Amino acid sequence: DGGITQSPKYLFRKEGQNVTLSCEQNLNHDAMYWYRQDPGQGLRLIYYSQIVNDFQKGDIAEGYSVSREKKESFPLTVTSAQKNPTAFYLCASSIDHASPPETQYFGPGTRLLVL
Amino acid sequence: DAKTTQPPSMDCAEGRAANLPCNHSTISGNEYVYWYRQIHSQGPQYIIHGLKNNETNEMASLIITEDRKSSTLILPHATLRDTAVYYCIVTKRSAGNMLTFGGGTRLMVKP
Repeated sequence: DGGITQSPKYLFRKEGQNVTLSCEQNLNHDAMYWYRQDPGQGLRLIYYSQIVNDFQKGDIAEGYSVSREKKESFPLTVTSAQKNPTAFYLCASSIDHASPPETQYFGPGTRLLVL
Repeated sequence: DAKTTQPPSMDCAEGRAANLPCNHSTISGNEYVYWYRQIHSQGPQYIIHGLKNNETNEMASLIITEDRKSSTLILPHATLRDTAVYYCIVTKRSAGNMLTFGGGTRLMVKP
């Protein structure tokens, strides 16, 4: 089955630790995205990547880092510089960055909890 | 992208039509209205989109007013599985995929 997988579903982190969230897609999509969602709120864009080895900051990139070494993979690292990391993190992909919104597919999400 | 306004929550009886409104009074001529929904702890799911004509697909119908300043998403026969947060988004179709999701409407379908 084609799709986007995110792991783990739940992640616990101690304050001051970096943690990496996985996102993998087998849809052969060029563009990938990371969003953050706080309780009762909408989605906010953290980073996006239009192509391998390229990525751009979104609206709330501070305290996060990404890499795009392979087309299928777009991991997100939540660093200790992110002061309020507890949230629901969603990864998405689309055929390319210019393709219309209805072609964007979302993963199931990772819920990060800082202890 | 134009700003949208949606009621924070709505209830609907199972089997009845759910009508979810959205105001987008500052929409520009080349912006589309998109609807997504998000079931608890899952990723958003695309439902439907339109420019100025009413649209229908297997999931829902979209009614856009003639002045395009508001729209209504209609789920014709709501089921318990339609309980979710519904997001109305206005965006240019050529703007790529950097979607901006607001607070949405939490629809509760009750038996």
